Amino acid sequence: EAQVTQNPRYLITVTGKKLTVTCSQNMNHEYMSWYRQDPGLGLRQIYYSMNVEVTDKGDVPEGYKVSRKEKRNFPLILESPSPNQTSLYFCASSSLYLSALQGAEAFFGQGTRLTVV
Amino acid sequence: QKEVEQNSGPLSVPEGAIASLNCTYSDRGSQSFFWYRQYSGKSPELIMSIYSNGDKEDGRFTAQLNKASQYVSLLIRDSQPSDSATYLCAVNLYNFNKFYFGSGTKLNVKP
Repeated sequence: EAQVTQNPRYLITVTGKKLTVTCSQNMNHEYMSWYRQDPGLGLRQIYYSMNVEVTDKGDVPEGYKVSRKEKRNFPLILESPSPNQTSLYFCASSSLYLSALQGAEAFFGQGTRLTVV
Repeated sequence: QKEVEQNSGPLSVPEGAIASLNCTYSDRGSQSFFWYRQYSGKSPELIMSIYSNGDKEDGRFTAQLNKASQYVSLLIRDSQPSDSATYLCAVNLYNFNKFYFGSGTKLNVKP
């Protein structure tokens, strides 16, 4: 089954304690991305990756890091979480090949609800 | 100005009616357009995609794209209570580097 898997689904942590949210896809997609979703603000892109070792900032990258060492994995790292990073996070992947043909939709993970206290 | 704008709603329609959801976008380089449905606390799921001007129909759903006016809409015919959700409009820019999402329109279908 084609899917994007995020872990953990729920996380409560304290300010300043480093954490990693994992994301893995089994569709051999080149493109992966992280979003945060906050009430009234919709989905905002944090970072994206066009392929292995290729990452770039989205619209709200401050306070986050990512890495893309393997095609299937795209972890999101919060080195020193703060309360304003409390949000619902989504990882998504997409096929660049299909996009080149006619555009391709993003497949989303189940979401990670993060609370920083 | 936001890249993608949607009316936040809520939009309330009676069961069996047509629900009309609208979205405007600012970048003329936008190439691909998508409608996602999102239930509360769940991940967005794709309903429709559209790439060229005109209408595209899939079951009870019709997507409409007008690039000259920079808007895309979604019509839901014979609305059902199970259609009650937030609908996100998404735009993929020419260089593919980014998807931009609207903040979503909440739809309530009343039995």
